[in-house]
Amino acid sequence: KAGVTQTPRYLIKTRGQQVTLSCSPISGHRSVSWYQQTPGQGLQFLFEYFSETQRNKGNFPGRFSGRQFSNSRSEMNVSTLELGDSALYLCASSLAAGFHEQFFGPGTRLTVL
Amino acid sequence: AQKITQTQPGMFVQEKEAVTLDCTYDTSDQSYGLFWYKQPSSGEMIFLIYQGSYDEQNATEGRYSLNFQKARKSANLVISASQLGDSAMYFCAMRPPHGGGSEKLVFGKGTKLTVNP
Repeated sequence: KAGVTQTPRYLIKTRGQQVTLSCSPISGHRSVSWYQQTPGQGLQFLFEYFSETQRNKGNFPGRFSGRQFSNSRSEMNVSTLELGDSALYLCASSLAAGFHEQFFGPGTRLTVL
Repeated sequence: AQKITQTQPGMFVQEKEAVTLDCTYDTSDQSYGLFWYKQPSSGEMIFLIYQGSYDEQNATEGRYSLNFQKARKSANLVISASQLGDSAMYFCAMRPPHGGGSEKLVFGKGTKLTVNP
């Protein structure tokens, strides 16, 4: 069974640009969550989706947005990139709420110059 | 609000010895889940072990066991017979109650484990 896949794995952008990251959950999983990991702030929750609906959102500015498609694949978008957005962005999938295992993808490492 | 505290920024252990990584948590919820994840230098978060707040027995998964002390709000990870491949960052995390409509995980700052040959 294929794991969680994230594309691209590495990305370099400049300030002011926008970026879209993609996450494909494990087949059959309907819940997708996104996290940002930085050396200073650690792992911070961005948002989560279940059946195309955003269930929860972390404390991030409106420049960070996401969506989930009918096949459970999810994208997150960051507009007007800032240097501080440089981070490892991790996606996690689980079957549904209440299932205790969340499986993470390899992450997308975003560098903003 | 939920909070996870990992007080050991770094730990060293000799190969084949056991090591305990500390994790304390703070929550007002009665029902919650506790997780440990391993993150090698490659960046991927690898699920290790889970403990539900109502589980009466400590969770075990191979060489990993979770020393769950609910009254003390601690959920320490014990790795037995350490291997060189265990060198990585280890994160303790908490999830809100079942049925809360959220899979959001709250993570600690992590502990960097180095296994020496």
